[in-house]
Amino acid sequence: GDSVTQMEGPVTLSEEACLTINCTYTATGYPSLFWYVQYPGEGLQLLLKATKADDKGSNKGFEATYRKETTSFHLEKGSVQVSDSAVYFCALSEAGGSYIPTFGRGTSLIVHP
Amino acid sequence: NAGVTQTPKFRVLKTGQSMTLLCAQDMNHEYMYWYRQDPGMGLRLIHYSVGEGTTAKGEVPDGYNVSRLKKQNFLLGLESAAPSQTSVYFCASSPSGRAHEQYFGPGTRLTVT
Repeated sequence: GDSVTQMEGPVTLSEEACLTINCTYTATGYPSLFWYVQYPGEGLQLLLKATKADDKGSNKGFEATYRKETTSFHLEKGSVQVSDSAVYFCALSEAGGSYIPTFGRGTSLIVHP
Repeated sequence: NAGVTQTPKFRVLKTGQSMTLLCAQDMNHEYMYWYRQDPGMGLRLIHYSVGEGTTAKGEVPDGYNVSRLKKQNFLLGLESAAPSQTSVYFCASSPSGRAHEQYFGPGTRLTVT
């Protein structure tokens, strides 16, 4: 079946540092890939997505590129802010597969001033 | 456009009591989901629905029941609450088409004593 593997956290950074959160996946078909963000006390919200190989999703300074050859969708940001402190979830959903998206376990990011 | 709303936001139950959590969405989405989120466990799917009048079991359905009598509402019921059901519950919805992102509600924090 499908699966998503994320690096374990927490990831602790100083403000303005570079961020990479690794995400790799296994899927039987051609999934769409997503990054969601969950701020403290809130529900998940979509951060960015990519629907086909080599697509780059971007939002709020975050980027991720759909790499089919390495089955990866790593999340990157060049300069993090304290307000980026949150839990980040990588997920996939297959057009021809199950109705159920597959989520990673989440990676907590803590940014210090 | 309120998106996905959940009622109540917080609830404390005694063991053996029952309650219903309400999820409502105003985006005309076909698919709706109930998840629970526990520390270190990520999101776990309880039940889901792919249309009005249909429901299906997810990963952790025991002790819960659901109903989708109207397209915009998805109810989660606990018939006899147990301390193991202490968790944060999230509802999500998604348009038809399995490669779409999910839209999450703000969550319900439930404590069973």
